[in-house]
Amino acid sequence: NAGVTQTPKFQVLKTGQSMTLQCAQDMNHEYMSWYRQDPGMGLRLIHYSVGAGITDQGEVPNGYNVSRSTTEDFPLRLLSAAPSQTSVYFCASSYSRQGAVNTIYFGEGSWLTVV
Amino acid sequence: SQQGEEDPQALSIQEGENATMNCSYKTSINNLQWYRQNSGRGLVHLILIRSNEREKHSGRLRVTLDTSKKSSSLLITASRAADTASYFCATDGDNYGQNFVFGPGTRLSVLP
Repeated sequence: NAGVTQTPKFQVLKTGQSMTLQCAQDMNHEYMSWYRQDPGMGLRLIHYSVGAGITDQGEVPNGYNVSRSTTEDFPLRLLSAAPSQTSVYFCASSYSRQGAVNTIYFGEGSWLTVV
Repeated sequence: SQQGEEDPQALSIQEGENATMNCSYKTSINNLQWYRQNSGRGLVHLILIRSNEREKHSGRLRVTLDTSKKSSSLLITASRAADTASYFCATDGDNYGQNFVFGPGTRLSVLP
């Protein structure tokens, strides 16, 4: 049981380049999300999904795209990287059930630098 | 807008002392969770308290919840150097397991 796996761990991009951060979970969680974490701030929600084929925007969605073709995978795409997207990105998953203990499981993070 | 706000932003204590961190939030919740993040790592779940609970214990951790004040506290007793980390509270608003909102965290340093 690997939990939440995200790749790559580190990436340097040039302004204008595109890339995809991969995220996979093996816990059959309905809910998956992407957060970014910047110094002095908490985690801010970028996009989330409540199940395969369903995605929605979070607090800071601009410049990012997501899809959820399977329950397990939830990739995050940077369409045209900008220096403001330099951050640490975390993928997370959880159950999404009324009355359940919906603990969030996080990946180890992806450090992205845009130069 | 952020739902959770931790206080203090940073806390430095000696090993063996107790550490108390507070979290305030703005809207009604189903549950409130505390997470820990070691430097350079992902967040790890510590403890969850439901909206109908007032206090919960797990090992050296004690969490309280006051829904009338929209606040929670995390107490770590007999702290150890290994407790050095950032601690975050997270709330789910009125969504079960969805769109958790995190505060900026409290950076705890436990000095040996």
